[in-house]
Amino acid sequence: NAGVTQTPKFQVLKTGQSMTLQCAQDMNHNSMYWYRQDPGMGLRLIYYSASEGTTDKGEVPNGYNVSRLNKREFSLRLESAAPSQTSVYFCASSAVGSYGYTFGSGTRLTVV
Amino acid sequence: GQQVMQIPQYQHVQEGEDFTTYCNSSTTLSNIQWYKQRPGGHPVFLIQLVKSGEVKKQKRLTFQFGEAKKNSSLHITATQTTDVGTYFCAASFSGGYNKLIFGAGTRLAVHP
Repeated sequence: NAGVTQTPKFQVLKTGQSMTLQCAQDMNHNSMYWYRQDPGMGLRLIYYSASEGTTDKGEVPNGYNVSRLNKREFSLRLESAAPSQTSVYFCASSAVGSYGYTFGSGTRLTVV
Repeated sequence: GQQVMQIPQYQHVQEGEDFTTYCNSSTTLSNIQWYKQRPGGHPVFLIQLVKSGEVKKQKRLTFQFGEAKKNSSLHITATQTTDVGTYFCAASFSGGYNKLIFGAGTRLAVHP
C-alpha cells in the first residue's frame, strides 16, 4: 500500500509563479487535509475536505486554493507564490472525522 | 481562536532518563491525538485519547488525558536513541467538524 502520495517532493518557485501540489491516497479515506509546517510553529491547517465534493478553510487559507478532484485526490494550488509560502507542505487523510491521520512524505517548497 | 499550547519546545536528555511533554487548551477538547515525527520525516500517528481521565500505554510511552479534557501529556520512561524526534499533540475541539489543530511540538534529543 502506498498510503498517501505527494508530488513533487521538492520545488523551487520564483515569486509570482503558480503551481499545484498533488496528493492522492489509496486507503478509501473520506477526509483529506493540507497542512504547512514551519520551524517552531508545528503544523497549521490550510484547507480540508471532510468528504468528496466539500472543501473548507483551515487556520491559514490565504494565498491557497484547493480542489477535491475525487475521493482519492486533493490538490493544493498556489496562484501567485510569495516568499512567505516557503514551507514544508503535508497532505493527510483520515477514514472518519479526525481519527488517526495518515500523512504523506511532504513537499519542500522554496519561493525565491 | 482554537489553539493548543505545548511545552517544552525542546528537551535534551541522557539515554535512560525520562521525558514528558504537555499540551494545554483553554477550552474543552473532543479528543486529543499524539504524533511522532522523526527528523526529515512526516508525522506518524501514535494514539488517540477520548475519555476524561483516560490513560493509555504503549511499551515505554504513557499517554494521559486530563479530567477536564483540557490537557494531556506524553511520558516516555527510560528514553532510547530511537525516541529522537518531535512529538506533537493534536486536538479536536467540541462542536463542528473534528479537524485537528496541532501543538507546536516538543523536539526530543537523546544523548547516548
